[in-house]
Amino acid sequence: AQKVTQAQTEISVVEKEDVTLDCVYETRDTTYYLFWYKQPPSGELVFLIRRNSFDEQNEISGRYSWNFQKSTSSFNFTITASQVVDSAVYFCALRYDRDDKIIFGKGTRLHILP
Amino acid sequence: SAVISQKPSRDICQRGTSLTIQCQVDSQVTMMFWYRQQPGQSLTLIATANQGSEATYESGFVIDKFPISRPNLTFSTLTVSNMSPEDSSIYLCSVERGSSTDTQYFGPGTRLTVL
Repeated sequence: AQKVTQAQTEISVVEKEDVTLDCVYETRDTTYYLFWYKQPPSGELVFLIRRNSFDEQNEISGRYSWNFQKSTSSFNFTITASQVVDSAVYFCALRYDRDDKIIFGKGTRLHILP
Repeated sequence: SAVISQKPSRDICQRGTSLTIQCQVDSQVTMMFWYRQQPGQSLTLIATANQGSEATYESGFVIDKFPISRPNLTFSTLTVSNMSPEDSSIYLCSVERGSSTDTQYFGPGTRLTVL
């Protein structure tokens, strides 16, 4: 079965702290794609990153970094030196190579306190 | 990525009425999708909008309630018919240019409230 679990429903941190959002997925396929999207209060879903199952190299983009570990079926997202503008709901998602459908996790609501 | 617009951005409607939501992309795309996001929930796929043919609906969604059109490769509409308060949600369209290895990009969403 396809499943994406974001165990953290809501997180609050003080500005400038680092925060990690967890994502665990379930799949039997060998080829799949993982995504992170950000949804600010405006409602738009903003694409952040896509990672292929055959590429376990971690990625860093400015204050954002992603740790992909197939051994634990996890694709965690870390924000370094958080800012108030990072406050949003973050969704982790999974897609199979053989399917057009994306399976979304329930999302983690992140509050960055000034 | 693609520039995606949706109209209206938000609306408040009366029970029993229908609303048509438009999704426009700035360039031709292979796939277009419609999602629903109920308050405080994750996204649920309603259907895949197929160009020139009937949409492909997910389990729990039917054409009579959510008729979809896609007359060309840059435009699609979703109608929410005979609305009830339970239809209050954000409706988002998404697109992808190529194969299943592509990334889905989302429009800004339509925030619908049904009284």
